[in-house]
Amino acid sequence: EAQVTQNPRYLITVTGKKLTVTCSQNMNHEYMSWYRQDPGLGLRQIYYSMNVEVTDKGDVPEGYKVSRKEKRNFPLILESPSPNQTSLYFCASSLRDTDPYNEQFFGPGTRLTVL
Amino acid sequence: AQTVTQSQPEMSVQEAETVTLSCTYDTSENNYYLFWYKQPPSRQMILVIRQEAYKQQNATENRFSVNFQKAAKSFSLKISDSQLGDTAMYFCAFIPPNSNSGYALNFGKGTSLLVTP
Repeated sequence: EAQVTQNPRYLITVTGKKLTVTCSQNMNHEYMSWYRQDPGLGLRQIYYSMNVEVTDKGDVPEGYKVSRKEKRNFPLILESPSPNQTSLYFCASSLRDTDPYNEQFFGPGTRLTVL
Repeated sequence: AQTVTQSQPEMSVQEAETVTLSCTYDTSENNYYLFWYKQPPSRQMILVIRQEAYKQQNATENRFSVNFQKAAKSFSLKISDSQLGDTAMYFCAFIPPNSNSGYALNFGKGTSLLVTP
């Protein structure tokens, strides 16, 4: 089944404790990205990747890191989480980086709470 | 900056009726891409329908159709024969061409739709 998977689905952590949210897709997509969803704000892009070893900042990159060592994986790293990073996080992927009309497939979301 | 506005935070419709969700956007581009995404209680983001701005014909997907008014920068979603499973948050989204932000979807704040029996 074609899908985007994220782990963990739920995470409660404390301020300053490094964490990684994994994202993996099995559709051989070049383009991958991370969004965060906050009440009343919709979804905002954090980072994106056009292909392996190619990443760039989105609209709200502060406090986050990413890497793209393999085509299928795009982990989101919070080196020192803070309470303002409490949010619902989505990973998304699509087939071709030069065709924005392509559907972006979303993962199931990761609910992160930073105490 | 491109912005997407959904002016209806919440809407309600009875089963089998028709409902229209509003979306307006602001851009100076001539060609761009518009989308409606659905987020049911499961939180999964699901593409409902999409439209490329240079195509004048309104997109249709089964019970879902759009009314695209380019001059007015309006992109409303019409749901016909509403079903209980249509209960969800609906997001309008926009991607400009040749985006420097990696083709990020610019989302509105969403409209929460409740379908009642």
